[in-house]
Amino acid sequence: DIQMTQSPSSLSASVGDRVTITCRASQGIRNDLAWYQQKPGKAPKRLIYAASSLQGGVPLRFSGSGSGTEFTLTISSLQPEDFATYYCLQHNSYPQTFGQGTKVEIK
Amino acid sequence: QMQLQESGPGLVRPSETLSLTCAVSGGSVSPYFWSWIRQPPGRGLEWIGYIFYSGRTTYNPSLRSRVTISVDTSNQLSLKLNSVTAADTAVYYCARGGGGDYSPDEFWGQGTLVTVSS
Repeated sequence: DIQMTQSPSSLSASVGDRVTITCRASQGIRNDLAWYQQKPGKAPKRLIYAASSLQGGVPLRFSGSGSGTEFTLTISSLQPEDFATYYCLQHNSYPQTFGQGTKVEIK
Repeated sequence: QMQLQESGPGLVRPSETLSLTCAVSGGSVSPYFWSWIRQPPGRGLEWIGYIFYSGRTTYNPSLRSRVTISVDTSNQLSLKLNSVTAADTAVYYCARGGGGDYSPDEFWGQGTLVTVSS
């Protein structure tokens, strides 16, 4: 299985802050990576697909980058509704595997 | 607008079979991939497997010996997981995508909690 390592596992930030989450794959996955946001009691919501393509309807403050083994999700200016847990997912090979999650909390 | 709705028993006895359905409305199961994903309480996400609308499946090796995913012409997906233990307690989601070259996309069910307990 491809292991996806997210960092940090949690962070505290203020509204307006720039936030960066990293996901590293244990082997190259081209750009076969998606990012999801999950709020308590809700299903995950896809934010980014193909490493850097913004899902329709997702605010432009979200962006993704990377290829191969290292990927980044950036929130350019954190908003109150962005406090949630974020997961990366590789779909390059089976089984598809998620990172362990990054919880973004209010400072 | 496509909607997915999981349903099934919320409590399953150890060693028995967990059976869930996912009703797809507002669209067809064709020509998409469909996946099941689960999340133990307070923990991360685990991909269980996918089914293509034609019936082709791929499962997570960690569950392959116990899991069956199927699709029928009434726009329903199903998940069966046999010989369950407490470790199978989780919220179970169905989602569009999650197979082929595709990640699960914007269409997910709301999830259903299944507790394995005697």
